[in-house]
Amino acid sequence: NAGVMQNPRHLVRRRGQEARLRCSPMKGHSHVYWYRQLPEEGLKFMVYLQKENIIDESGMPKERFSAEFPKEGPSILRIQQVVRGDSAAYFCASSPSHLDEKLFFGSGTQLSVL
Amino acid sequence: ILNVEQSPQSLHVQEGDSTNFTCSFPSSNFYALHWYRWETAKSPEALFVMTLNGDEKKKGRISATLNTKEGYSYLYIKGSQPEDSATYLCAFSSNTGKLIFGQGTTLQVKP
Repeated sequence: NAGVMQNPRHLVRRRGQEARLRCSPMKGHSHVYWYRQLPEEGLKFMVYLQKENIIDESGMPKERFSAEFPKEGPSILRIQQVVRGDSAAYFCASSPSHLDEKLFFGSGTQLSVL
Repeated sequence: ILNVEQSPQSLHVQEGDSTNFTCSFPSSNFYALHWYRWETAKSPEALFVMTLNGDEKKKGRISATLNTKEGYSYLYIKGSQPEDSATYLCAFSSNTGKLIFGQGTTLQVKP
């Protein structure tokens, strides 16, 4: 059973471009969380999704950021018109259900905006 | 605003010392409290998930306790080893499902 897969591991974008980060949860997991880690900071909650539904996106900036978890395929975190302040490590985690199940984390995507 | 606080921020101990960290969280709308271990260049790995007031969990030399009424959890490491060096994160879950992490306690164990 493969773990949580995130790709790419490293993503370089110029200001104004779009960044698409992918997360394939563990087999059988229907809950996905996205977190952002800024330099010298901890994990900041961005969004919590179940298959085809956004449950809580209160941690996500209202502009330029969006997330989806379609019925088929990976969860996607999309950042439009990236700015230098978007440079961070983005971690995805999955769980089989919610609330009292531990999360399994991917290796993260390091986004660098030039 | 959900706030999860961990202390101390960092800790340096000698091999063989026992140590403990604190996690404070909101006592209202509590559902679960998680502890994770995060080694450098790796991903966070779950240690414990606790849901009941008074819960105690143990895994080898590491154990954790939970007090939901006063909103705190302790993580204990007995006889620290250099391989215990990592950042230890706690995370609070309310009944909405959102999991909020603390800043972590970074432990360095000197041989």
